Amino acid sequence: DAMVIQNPRYQVTQFGKPVTLSCSQTLNHNVMYWYQQKSSQAPKLLFHYYDKDFNNEADTPDNFQSRRPNTSFCFLDIRSPGLGDAAMYLCATSRSSTEAFFGQGTRLTVV
Amino acid sequence: AQKITQTQPGMFVQEKEAVTLDCTYDTSDPSYGLFWYKQPSSGEMIFLIYQGSYDQQNATEGRYSLNFQKARKSANLVISASQLGDSAMYFCAMNAGGTSYGKLTFGQGTILTVHP
Repeated sequence: DAMVIQNPRYQVTQFGKPVTLSCSQTLNHNVMYWYQQKSSQAPKLLFHYYDKDFNNEADTPDNFQSRRPNTSFCFLDIRSPGLGDAAMYLCATSRSSTEAFFGQGTRLTVV
Repeated sequence: AQKITQTQPGMFVQEKEAVTLDCTYDTSDPSYGLFWYKQPSSGEMIFLIYQGSYDQQNATEGRYSLNFQKARKSANLVISASQLGDSAMYFCAMNAGGTSYGKLTFGQGTILTVHP
């Protein structure tokens, strides 16, 4: 019954080695979001897709990219992960005027 | 720009008692939305309640109610009849008017512990 599914739940990657996190949804929502949540901190929006339109937050590092090949899927690519990128990454979806539904997150460890 | 402040890092409540989690906000937008989310240790953010800036009445959803005081710029969450399963991190968040409801600015969160 999960509506926003993130894979994997836990990801370990090497310093500097590209990594991709995935998110899929069964809600047919037109907006998809990626948030970064570091330990004991508030989630911070990295970017979002409104339909096919990509919207980057001003302070999101260039190291972070995203792809949305279709309505159901969205990917977060970290080109060269650093130790400071270790965090929980949360995917969320919504319609324009409805609350956001979140996935369970992917906890990224960089070694 | 929006800012959310949650001044209670941690709160404790006895099972079956009511508890209020504080949230103040700051924005220059006349139109905005206020949200509360619950985050259990599993990590998923669970939507609890929404209040629009133009809503005249306080929002309620089951055991959750939002005490909206616009002049004070506060949006406190009240949980009635606390249950052990309410133990979690609680985030207050807001979005600016005209933006998608998931484009949120979050506060730092309050950890709620419910004692039996």
